[in-house]
Amino acid sequence: SYELTQPPSVSVSPGQTASITCYGDVLGDKYVDWYQQKPGQSPVLVIFEDNRRPPGIPERFSGSNSGSTATLSISGTQVLDEADYYCQAWDSSTIVFGSGTRVTVL
Amino acid sequence: VHVVESGGGLVRPGGSLRLSCAVSGLTFRHAWMTWVRQAPGKGLEWLGRSKDRSNGGTIDYAAPVKGRFTISRDDEKDTLYLQMNSLKTEDTAVYYCTTLAYGSGTSNNWGQGTLVTVSS
Repeated sequence: SYELTQPPSVSVSPGQTASITCYGDVLGDKYVDWYQQKPGQSPVLVIFEDNRRPPGIPERFSGSNSGSTATLSISGTQVLDEADYYCQAWDSSTIVFGSGTRVTVL
Repeated sequence: VHVVESGGGLVRPGGSLRLSCAVSGLTFRHAWMTWVRQAPGKGLEWLGRSKDRSNGGTIDYAAPVKGRFTISRDDEKDTLYLQMNSLKTEDTAVYYCTTLAYGSGTSNNWGQGTLVTVSS
């Protein structure tokens, strides 16, 4: 079965850029979405189709996907960006979530 | 768009449970839908996808639940269902229903989730 691997945790200082990676076999051939989940809340879509932002998502969130790696970048990270982030890859027949990355802003 | 799951609760191992997902704010009969779950303290796990009738009403399942879980929909009631049989303790999780952007795998609207606890 297809698997996506993310680092368990990423730490970033306020105002700096956080980069969260997602590895999968030939991942660049699939679309990748990113979801943010804060404690006790449902996930929220922050990036879809590799690099598109839904309405209402700040411009500091951006994404890329090439080769075997997709990356979510948060520039000018704020304390309110502290959350778990999940990548998700999909194609015509399946959808797979990554293992999730906890972003700590300190 | 509003997504509301219901039907969660406590069930014994080996038992069955049916979850419902009521959707409003979109034309449900054209909607693609999914079920996703999250075990306590764990990550998200995709369970399956329901396509609309114009795409054959196709339903795809994740391998771990294929044969035990069944997704269905009632386009007249704007409701998606998840029938879960032969439940195991490891099925304990919050179950989310999501709407998908049409023709894709992107979950653009999530419900609040419903908790299913499988325990004796």
